[in-house]
Amino acid sequence: GAVVSQHPSRVICKSGTSVKIECRSLDFQATTMFWYRQFPKQSLMLMATSNEGSKATYEQGVEKDKFLINHASLTLSTLTVTSAHPEDSSFYICSARDRMAVQETQYFGPGTRLLVL
Amino acid sequence: EDQVTQSPEALRLQEGESSSLNCSYTVSGLRGLFWYRQDPGKGPEFLFTLYSAGEEKEKERLKATLTKKESFLHITAPKPEDSATYLCAVRNSNSGYALNFGKGTSLLVTP
Repeated sequence: GAVVSQHPSRVICKSGTSVKIECRSLDFQATTMFWYRQFPKQSLMLMATSNEGSKATYEQGVEKDKFLINHASLTLSTLTVTSAHPEDSSFYICSARDRMAVQETQYFGPGTRLLVL
Repeated sequence: EDQVTQSPEALRLQEGESSSLNCSYTVSGLRGLFWYRQDPGKGPEFLFTLYSAGEEKEKERLKATLTKKESFLHITAPKPEDSATYLCAVRNSNSGYALNFGKGTSLLVTP
């Protein structure tokens, strides 16, 4: 089945530093990837849609200059949290859409736990 | 605006005690209703996609059904390993491929 990986799985950083999270589709090509954020006991909230070779589309209320997204290839999207603050601490999850799949399905990565001190 | 409401928030079942989880939705132009399973600290695992009212899909002890207003995830004779949070999400005709998630139902199956 389709596999999506994320790296790192956990990261702890100091306030003011930047953190990069990678999302890779391992056995399929993804022209579109999505970045979600999940706070404790809450559901997934879409942050942005990442399109290969073009600019990301951000949801209302998500700062594009703070959450930088790069979708440089059909198998890799990165999310950089710039100048991270404690309120950015959350569980970040990416998903990827298999562009060749007949049925519409998004496959999710295992998530990245970010803790900003 | 899309609304996805899941109930109950939490459900505790004894092993073998069948039940159903509900997902009520309001969406402009449904382009798919999705069920995922999420274990603590993990990403969601895909279960089913339903596209039209009357559609049903099954996988092991799980069966998903869809009407014009809601979807049910039926769990038959659950086992402790079925304990997880079950998430429902919808895609509408205006959102591209992005999904709008409900808050989930946390299921605990005790031996």
